[in-house]
Amino acid sequence: DQQVKQNSPSLSVQEGRISILNCDYTNSMFDYFLWYKKYPAEGPTFLISISSIKDKNEDGRFTVFLNKSAKHLSLHIVPSQPGDSAVYFCAASARAGGTSYGKLTFGQGTILTVHP
Amino acid sequence: NAGVTQTPKFQVLKTGQSMTLQCAQDMNHNSMYWYRQDPGMGLRLIYYSASEGTTDKGEVPNGYNVSRLNKREFSLRLESAAPSQTSVYFCASSEAVVGHQGTEAFFGQGTRLTVV
Repeated sequence: DQQVKQNSPSLSVQEGRISILNCDYTNSMFDYFLWYKKYPAEGPTFLISISSIKDKNEDGRFTVFLNKSAKHLSLHIVPSQPGDSAVYFCAASARAGGTSYGKLTFGQGTILTVHP
Repeated sequence: NAGVTQTPKFQVLKTGQSMTLQCAQDMNHNSMYWYRQDPGMGLRLIYYSASEGTTDKGEVPNGYNVSRLNKREFSLRLESAAPSQTSVYFCASSEAVVGHQGTEAFFGQGTRLTVV
């Protein structure tokens, strides 16, 4: 049972345009969401997070949007740069109670390619 | 600035052999995790340790054991390796249990394990 889903295995965008990566979740106990970026042969690195008390969090070129009613979040990268080419993982956790407390549950990942 | 260090980086085992993957963090973090990454599956939690002296099963614990040796070190042992355990293994740590706002997990560079 995949509790966090990234339905697009890959995304290709032109440099300077917007990249939108999507993530859906099914567990209503999830209330903290993170995005990680991973380059080949490296470990994932933290990018940005959002708590369920917010619907938007922005950090420079990266913005995460959360739609709790739809159990959907998205990561926007504007403008996209070739160095953004990597695998992006969505992850979720529950802050209190339940079997998801204290653990990160990851999606399958989306490969982003930004063309010059 | 070592962060999370994993050894070895690469390993080839024969079916039935045993080995221990080592992980150490120098950030004085309380929580540590072992994940495996397989194509199309994202990262799946094997075991985690919320604090020194405690360990708990994650999503895919079968075939593995762990030891939280001290606050810095968290090892993963394969007692009798199987081809299904061919994967990339990541160790991670966090200051507190993930899910508390502002707490994210930091990952090591990974161990690529092949079981033949």
